[in-house]
Amino acid sequence: EAGVAQSPRYKIIEKRQSVAFWCNPISGHATLYWYQQILGQGPKLLIQFQNNGVVDDSQLPKDRFSAERLKGVDSTLKIQPAKLEDSAVYLCASYPDTNTYNEQFFGPGTRLTVL
Amino acid sequence: AQKVTQAQTEISVVEKEDVTLDCVYETRDTTYYLFWYKQPPSGELVFLIRRNSFDEQNEISGRYSWNFQKSTSSFNFTITASQVVDSAVYFCALRRDNYGQNFVFGPGTRLSVLP
Repeated sequence: EAGVAQSPRYKIIEKRQSVAFWCNPISGHATLYWYQQILGQGPKLLIQFQNNGVVDDSQLPKDRFSAERLKGVDSTLKIQPAKLEDSAVYLCASYPDTNTYNEQFFGPGTRLTVL
Repeated sequence: AQKVTQAQTEISVVEKEDVTLDCVYETRDTTYYLFWYKQPPSGELVFLIRRNSFDEQNEISGRYSWNFQKSTSSFNFTITASQVVDSAVYFCALRRDNYGQNFVFGPGTRLSVLP
């Protein structure tokens, strides 16, 4: 079974530029999450999708961050414009659509550096 | 509110020593789930173990063991005879009793195993 795929793995941009990250979850997983992990901290949830609907985006800075999952499969997270404090690893995770209490499956992450 | 505390920011041990990583959690739920994840330098979060709040049985898996004590709200992780490959950041996480719900992660403990 293929894991969660993310691209790019690394991205360096200047402040005020825009950037987009892509995530393809494990096949058949209805729930998809985007986390932000700042250096030295644990991951923090940005947004959770169930199929193509948003379940929780309470911690997403909506003035500059946006995310979509149009067909209920892969997802894109965008930052526009980026700030220095957005430098972090952005992790995507997915979860199977069954009533079982499993762990989330994480992708390798995208490391963003904002200069 | 839910919270996970990992008081040890960094630990260094010499190979073959035993090491215990502490995790203390806060929740008002009676049913919840606890997890440990490992994050090696490659960045991907690797699932280690899941425990539900009704299962206080300690578990041993090879060199890894976990001690879950509801009375002290702790879920500690011990590595016996540590190896250099155990060097990583270890995260404890808490999830509510709804499948697919997002995790609350602790800040992580960076373990360095020296040869």
